[in-house]
Amino acid sequence: SAVISQKPSRDICQRGTSLTIQCQVDSQVTMMFWYRQQPGQSLTLIATANQGSEATYESGFVIDKFPISRPNLTFSTLTVSNMSPEDSSIYLCSVDRGQITDTQYFGPGTRLTVL
Amino acid sequence: QKEVEQNSGPLSVPEGAIASLNCTYSDRGSQSFFWYRQYSGKSPELIMFIYSNGDKEDGRFTAQLNKASQYVSLLIRDSQPSDSATYLCAVRTGTASKLTFGTGTRLQVTL
Repeated sequence: SAVISQKPSRDICQRGTSLTIQCQVDSQVTMMFWYRQQPGQSLTLIATANQGSEATYESGFVIDKFPISRPNLTFSTLTVSNMSPEDSSIYLCSVDRGQITDTQYFGPGTRLTVL
Repeated sequence: QKEVEQNSGPLSVPEGAIASLNCTYSDRGSQSFFWYRQYSGKSPELIMFIYSNGDKEDGRFTAQLNKASQYVSLLIRDSQPSDSATYLCAVRTGTASKLTFGTGTRLQVTL
């Protein structure tokens, strides 16, 4: 497994502002993923972030709203832009090594509240 | 039809009993299957994964896969109050690394 940390662990933000969430892994990983978990809901994949290439976004998520960086094999950031109360959610990063037999491990999450 | 379906529960079982959690998936090309446990306010924690038809046991947990029926289950033997959590079924299809999650089943183990 991998040790994954996220910053911040929680934040309360004002409408119209942006927040950048950091995800740090203790070892090099091929694949990093960003998920959203809205209150009482399951996990929804926002995008897949591979080092050296642009992130791949899922249907319903766009780069202008959720820009992602992946500067190296141990780090990624997700920015939630121009926030509205509907963006209040838990944001989770996860990692795997990209092999078919691999498993995905999750960071502790960032709890975001938008007022 | 949802890609991965689970009964949302809550599933209530007495302490010491067997809890049976079920999951169905729609894509026959799915190759690997995962069970995560999520305590309230925490992130998902991997419990089991299974790739081949049949049973896979790990301690008190048994994962069962039936690809013909597109069905995967998780059995928890000797259920403990600490097992009370939401259990998420996740499916990986093809060579893509991304997982598709079910909505989760909330398990309550009562004293």
